[in-house]
Amino acid sequence: RKEVEQDPGPFNVPEGATVAFNCTYSNSASQSFFWYRQDCRKEPKLLMSVYSSGNEDGRFTAQLNRASQYISLLIRDSKLSDSATYLCAVNPTPGTYKYIFGTGTRLKVLA
Amino acid sequence: NAGVTQTPKFRVLKTGQSMTLLCAQDMNHEYMYWYRQDPGMGLRLIHYSVGEGTTAKGEVPDGYNVSRLKKQNFLLGLESAAPSQTSVYFCASSYEGGAGGELFFGEGSRLTVL
Repeated sequence: RKEVEQDPGPFNVPEGATVAFNCTYSNSASQSFFWYRQDCRKEPKLLMSVYSSGNEDGRFTAQLNRASQYISLLIRDSKLSDSATYLCAVNPTPGTYKYIFGTGTRLKVLA
Repeated sequence: NAGVTQTPKFRVLKTGQSMTLLCAQDMNHEYMYWYRQDPGMGLRLIHYSVGEGTTAKGEVPDGYNVSRLKKQNFLLGLESAAPSQTSVYFCASSYEGGAGGELFFGEGSRLTVL
């Protein structure tokens, strides 16, 4: 089993829709969870951190479910500009300072 | 603001040739990382460094070597390139390590090995 797994998609949704992605991790000791956004042929950029209490930034909400070992990203009122690949990142082993990424979930928002 | 700069941005190699990718950051970050990204595989960690003079193996270290002689630079070397090393390579740096620091990425280096 991979340390971090994501559904690659693509998720095709109409403008204005709500869409959610999950990212599962295998090591229950994992700490530090993040969502990154990557546009085509560009570098990844941090979208938001995922805290134990959840995190909301405008139309974006990230949550952590430690019992089921996954993090989620919810996008409300999707915009055309939200079309991108969304990567989750996890530090699977505390103290090792390394981040493992999922394969990414591709989102296409359609007009 | 330069941030993280990778050179070269594009390179074509023949099998067996060697080359070095340079990553430079001007943010005084302690932690630096090299990832490769292939279609359907996501970002995979090759090597990383938690400070000047230190390096550690990531998920896919075989065929690569790294050095961090200066805090601002992290070099990735391919001693004998193979077609399987055709990929996009991303360097990243972070102020904090596993505690929760944001990774800042360079623009990527596209390497083709023929």
